[in-house]
Parts: sequence; C-alpha cells; structure tokens
Amino acid sequence: GDSVTQMEGPVTLSEEAFLTINCTYTATGYPSLFWYVQYPGEGLQLLLKATKADDKGSNKGFEATYRKETTSFHLEKGSVQVSDSAVYFCALSDPSSGSARQLTFGSGTQLTVLP
Amino acid sequence: NAGVMQNPRHLVRRRGQEARLRCSPMKGHSHVYWYRQLPEEGLKFMVYLQKENIIDESGMPKERFSAEFPKEGPSILRIQQVVRGDSAAYFCASSPGETGIYGYTFGSGTRLTVV
Repeated sequence: GDSVTQMEGPVTLSEEAFLTINCTYTATGYPSLFWYVQYPGEGLQLLLKATKADDKGSNKGFEATYRKETTSFHLEKGSVQVSDSAVYFCALSDPSSGSARQLTFGSGTQLTVLP
Repeated sequence: NAGVMQNPRHLVRRRGQEARLRCSPMKGHSHVYWYRQLPEEGLKFMVYLQKENIIDESGMPKERFSAEFPKEGPSILRIQQVVRGDSAAYFCASSPGETGIYGYTFGSGTRLTVV
C-alpha cells in the first residue's frame, strides 16, 4: 500500500538557519504530494502541494519539489523564523489506489526555532 | 466565514462510556472526512461521508465506531464502550464536492482521553 516516510524529529534550529525536512513516499500510481503544518492546539493547514513530477510547490518561503526518480518531496526554507515552530506533515493522495479522496500522512516532524 | 468547527475540543471518558464527537463543515462544503492521530503518529484516514451517505469507511475499526452526516446538523463520530487505546486526537476535514483533497480544510480536532 501507499506510505510516507518523514525524517525523524524533533528538529531544533536557530532563527535564520536553513531548513530541510526529508520526505519519501511509496505509491502505486502517480500521487499528488502535500505538506501540511500544524501549529500548537490547531488543526492542520495546507502549506503547499505538487500534483505531478518536477512540480515545485511554494508558500510563505517554503518550497518542495516533486522528484519522481527519487520518490521524494523534501521541504526546504532558506531562513526560518520563530513563528515557523510547528509540526510538519508530508502527505500523499493516490487515485490509482482507489482512494482519491483520502490522504496518507507521514508521522510528522516537530520543528522548534530558537531566537 | 467560519472554518470547520469541531467540538468538544477536549473530551474525557471513562472506560466503557460512549464518546460523541461533532464536526460542522465549512459553509458550502458537503463532504466530510474523519482522521485519527495516535500519539507520536501521523493522521490515519477513518471515514468519508457525504450528506446522509457513507462513501468510504475503509479506515474505521470494525467494532464500536460509527459515523453519520445527517441531512441537517453536524457530522458525528461515535465511539461506544471506549478503551484506553481510543485516546487520540480526532480531526475532521471538509471539502466542496468537486475539489476533493485539494479543497480540504481541517478543524482543530477533538482530543479524547480515556481514563
């Protein structure tokens, strides 16, 4: 079945440091890929998405490129802020698995940014 | 424009009691999805509903769990005879029918603790 593997956390960085959170996936067909962010006590918010190979999703300074050859969708940001402290989830949707309307999530990566 | 509303935010139940979790989708959204987040894990799909219909319940435990989305009122996730292993955060998402996963909006979740 489909699966998403994220780099283990927690990740602690200083403000203005470079961020990479690794995400790889296994899917039957050609999935769409997502990054969600969860701030403390809140629900998940869509951060960015990519629907086909070589697409780059971007939002709020975050970027991720859909790499079919390496089945990866790593999240990057050039300069993190304290306000980026949250849990980040990588997710996919794979219509060929018969579940076009559900998301498969990774286990999440806790990011803490120190001032 | 209110988002997806879930209540209660926190729910404590003793073993053997019933838990009822409510989800009011965003205005104009007719599709509802329930996910469960166990401690230290990502979200796992449970069920997908449209008004008065269960479309996909492939992620629902076979016993004690049920879900409904009546013509009027919120969607309800019901857990009968709760056990300690049911302790988790339960998230609801809604979407306009035609956008599916791309239009997902998550609520803030209900954190169920079974004592």
